[in-house]
Amino acid sequence: ETGVTQTPRHLVMGMTNKKSLKCEQHLGHNAMYWYKQSAKKPLELMFVYSLEERVENNSVPSRFSPECPNSSHLFLHLHTLQPEDSALYLCASSQDEGSGTLNIQYFGAGTRLSVL
Amino acid sequence: GQQVMQIPQYQHVQEGEDFTTYCNSSTTLSNIQWYKQRPGGHPVFLIQLVKSGEVKKQKRLTFQFGEAKKNSSLHITATQTTDVGTYFCAGRWGAQKLVFGQGTRLTINP
Repeated sequence: ETGVTQTPRHLVMGMTNKKSLKCEQHLGHNAMYWYKQSAKKPLELMFVYSLEERVENNSVPSRFSPECPNSSHLFLHLHTLQPEDSALYLCASSQDEGSGTLNIQYFGAGTRLSVL
Repeated sequence: GQQVMQIPQYQHVQEGEDFTTYCNSSTTLSNIQWYKQRPGGHPVFLIQLVKSGEVKKQKRLTFQFGEAKKNSSLHITATQTTDVGTYFCAGRWGAQKLVFGQGTRLTINP
């Protein structure tokens, strides 16, 4: 148990569905992340929220929409996905205190997403 | 953007053999972290290296940070079946976010 909980663990959806992934951290951290893990790109950073503000968006398609209502919760809203979006989606949190600090990332168990 | 290149992508060894994975950056890193992901699991933090030439050990694992802070390595002595998994390095440049390498997937023949 890492203190980062993701739900659901598995999700199968059609290309026209709308679904949301949820992440909750119990570590008191101030930064949360969404990563996509697939065979082609092992750990691809999608979104970063630090102090509840999005600070980085790595040109992720608009069919992925993040939401961070507070420092403990992070959502990833999904709509009109494509089969190539099938992957493991990992959430992580860290205590971000600037350069040179430890900034360990604690990962959740992930949501295995299959888009049909 | 900044990248860390990690090699090899795959490594298969006999149990008891040694294993090494390497990470390289074209520019100087502030620090580098190493993570391990067991099959079916999620990445778990192993260690962080900050100082030029730093060497840290965790039992059979030895982590090194190059003198120029552009490369790092993880060496496992006498591998065991529990070492199976994917090992990721992750680099930072200043205040930027961590960038993960492609990972090295280690499999072991018992």
